Amino acid sequence: DVKVTQSSRYLVKRTGEKVFLECVQDMDHENMFWYRQDPGLGLRLIYFSYDVKMKEKGDIPEGYSVSREKKERFSLILESASTNQTSMYLCASSFPPPTDYGYTFGSGTRLTVV
Amino acid sequence: SQKIEQNSEALNIQEGKTATLTCNYTNYSPAYLQWYRQDPGRGPVFLLLIRENEKEKRKERLKVTFDTTLKQSLFHITASQPADSATYLCALVRLQAGTALIFGKGTTLSVSS
Repeated sequence: DVKVTQSSRYLVKRTGEKVFLECVQDMDHENMFWYRQDPGLGLRLIYFSYDVKMKEKGDIPEGYSVSREKKERFSLILESASTNQTSMYLCASSFPPPTDYGYTFGSGTRLTVV
Repeated sequence: SQKIEQNSEALNIQEGKTATLTCNYTNYSPAYLQWYRQDPGRGPVFLLLIRENEKEKRKERLKVTFDTTLKQSLFHITASQPADSATYLCALVRLQAGTALIFGKGTTLSVSS
């Protein structure tokens, strides 16, 4: 069964900490994405990557960075965690278009910053 | 700027009926549109993709239509079951360069027995 695996389901961090969220996919997908999901705001795109060592800013990149050193792994970094970064973080991967398949999402990491 | 609207936040129907969910978009001409299902506390799961040159697509009890003139997609679940209760999201490629998706806020469907 194809998978996108996020390293933690729940995480609690302190304000100011540097936080790493890891995502690994086993489908040989070129594209990988990070979203956050908040009640009333839906899914919002943070960063994405089309290839190793490549990254593109999404709609809300402020306060975040990413790393993609290997094709299967895409990490999201919160440089200095703040309480407004408390959220559900979702990683996804896909083949580039044209394709009849959509994104495969991980189960999410619920991050609480205190 | 581009906008995706899923008209209803919540939809309640009885088992066996057809559920119809709406997705409207503005300032945009997407090449394709996708629908996802999301259960509480889980990531979205891809259901269907429909291209701009396809009027309708079916998969088992699911049917999606795509009207590029009205800038609207309809998502139908026929013979609905309580197990169909979930949040359904529509998604389009972002207007900016690239192929990343933007998502509507979703419609939460509740099917009662």
